[in-house]
Amino acid sequence: QQPVQSPQAVILREGEDAVINCSSSKALYSVHWYRQKHGEAPVFLMILLKGGEQKGHDKISASFNEKKQQSSLYLTASQLSYSGTYFCGTEYSNDMRFGAGTRLTVKP
Amino acid sequence: DTAVSQTPKYLVTQMGNDKSIKCEQNLGHDTMYWYKQDSKKFLKIMFSYNNKELIINETVPNRFSPKSPDKAHLNLHINSLELGDSAVYFCASSPRDRAFTFGSGTRLTVV
Repeated sequence: QQPVQSPQAVILREGEDAVINCSSSKALYSVHWYRQKHGEAPVFLMILLKGGEQKGHDKISASFNEKKQQSSLYLTASQLSYSGTYFCGTEYSNDMRFGAGTRLTVKP
Repeated sequence: DTAVSQTPKYLVTQMGNDKSIKCEQNLGHDTMYWYKQDSKKFLKIMFSYNNKELIINETVPNRFSPKSPDKAHLNLHINSLELGDSAVYFCASSPRDRAFTFGSGTRLTVV
């Protein structure tokens, strides 16, 4: 079963912050985050392998709450280049399921 | 050096035809995947292979047949194409519990 993402879409002004959530009805062993720009392939952002883990690079970070079976992606001080569709993925034993995606639009 | 390469990039074909999409990775990853992305952007897993062995076959019609001659290649053959097969197909590879690397995708249009 694929994870559930929310919101489905977000529109921001440059410099604003956003949070994208990912939850699963099944136990989560790892959570992946990817970004896909229009007409391109999804690109890896980060992976969280255990509960309580938090990661980040640049102004994008993520947390993983194993108990609540959810992960969140935080985008701070958004830039135009952040626009795209964000997918979370949950993997177990060579079986990776993606959420339906969150379309993020950053406007000047 | 392309890490995961898919060919062709575009494929336009008539209903009822048979077509193949090729995928090759030079990353040394053990696992390869096929995903179908529909017009609503949903990424649906079709197959996964680990070291040439089929792991996941996700309720895909029998018209779709993957073939992995070695762990660097995973090809997808589709028989008797239907209008509903139109989508973007992505190949991906990964080592265990690590990042996926996607190919650039094959946009299949069935007319």
